[in-house]
Amino acid sequence: ETGVTQTPRHLVMGMTNKKSLKCEQHLGHNAMYWYKQSAKKPLELMFVYNFKEQTENNSVPSRFSPECPNSSHLFLHLHTLQPEDSALYLCASSQDQGFTDTQYFGPGTRLTVL
Amino acid sequence: GENVEQHPSTLSVQEGDSAVIKCTYSDSASNYFPWYKQELGKRPQLIIDIRSNVGEKKDQRIAVTLNKTAKHFSLHITETQPEDSAVYFCAANNAGNMLTFGGGTRLMVKP
Repeated sequence: ETGVTQTPRHLVMGMTNKKSLKCEQHLGHNAMYWYKQSAKKPLELMFVYNFKEQTENNSVPSRFSPECPNSSHLFLHLHTLQPEDSALYLCASSQDQGFTDTQYFGPGTRLTVL
Repeated sequence: GENVEQHPSTLSVQEGDSAVIKCTYSDSASNYFPWYKQELGKRPQLIIDIRSNVGEKKDQRIAVTLNKTAKHFSLHITETQPEDSAVYFCAANNAGNMLTFGGGTRLMVKP
């Protein structure tokens, strides 16, 4: 599947590093999402962008900083992370932030914070 | 905010048997309920969804039922096959038009 792509697929970083996760969607969608998937926990919504504007920040710590330069690209900038931030980070997109718009997920970035 | 509970957390069935996964939600304004399947190491993929104007929807061996009064919805898989083995997530949209996911059900289909 190439509808929603994410890079890198795996990332190992130290607590003092700065890194960025990238998401790109080729579906012509207007809404993009970041989710965190930890072991034995439900998928947690982090951020939502609709038409490049951030419409939701789900009480995410400031060490996670999203950026959406256009409707096709979404970044998650990481700095001074903690080991408990290790998780699978999933990007998704939907046509709009509509009431019943289907969300399509990317393959995720497996992040390990040492 | 919305709260979605999913049961069971693990489910083991024999190939050919049926599997049922149940979810409850708290926000009576929710009107969209998708189900995602996530195979090991892969992305969640939508397998079926239901909107609140219908009570049941079927797609081959998969069906979803919705009871808005009781605020619960269920996924039914008939004639299970080994390739149905995966983690299944239910979700409900909340008043802010975003999805809240259940905790997931690990389905194992034994050949």
